[in-house]
Amino acid sequence: DTGVSQDPRHKITKRGQNVTFRCDPISEHNRLYWYRQTLGQGPEFLTYFQNEAQLEKSRLLSDRFSAERPKGSFSTLEIQRTEQGDSAMYLCASSSGQDTTYEQYFGPGTRLTVT
Amino acid sequence: KNQVEQSPQSLIILEGKNCTLQCNYTVSPFSNLRWYKQDTGRGPVSLTIMTFSENTKSNGRYTATLDADTKQSSLHITASQLSDSASYICVVRTANSGYALNFGKGTSLLVTP
Repeated sequence: DTGVSQDPRHKITKRGQNVTFRCDPISEHNRLYWYRQTLGQGPEFLTYFQNEAQLEKSRLLSDRFSAERPKGSFSTLEIQRTEQGDSAMYLCASSSGQDTTYEQYFGPGTRLTVT
Repeated sequence: KNQVEQSPQSLIILEGKNCTLQCNYTVSPFSNLRWYKQDTGRGPVSLTIMTFSENTKSNGRYTATLDADTKQSSLHITASQLSDSASYICVVRTANSGYALNFGKGTSLLVTP
């Protein structure tokens, strides 16, 4: 399967714990995006990488959130001191810099539940 | 205020029937509009993408229309199947940003036997 993959698919954690999610984009894609989606809502943009550079962060990305893409390939999203309001689906997407439509291909998501 | 509004919020139809989902947007300047299908617990999958000059685009039983003058789009599903049950999300990209996508909240479609 050469699509976007995310790990884990589900994560249950207690409030106050730290969690880290991983995203592996389509191999030739240099752009990578993180989104958060709560029930009944569309995805909300969190952050964007072009290669290893983090070019944009949403105001939704509080100081408890950090994302990295150290080698311009896979990316990690860490949430520190989780809160119940962090419970959501975290989606990763990637796109090719050669695609003028900027088509984004989404992974299956990581469902986070904070108890 | 969300710049992409979808209606209805949810819809229930019988298998084999047709339905039409609506998307109105205020995003400007317009670049392209996509319809995504999102199965429960999965990531969105692109159905169609239309630029300013395209009025209609089909993908199997899915037909999307775009009126860039009135800033409206629709997604028509023909001969619905149980597997069409999903959320359908309208997404609009602005012309001056490489990554910023404006997502609607989606229409939740349930196809019943």
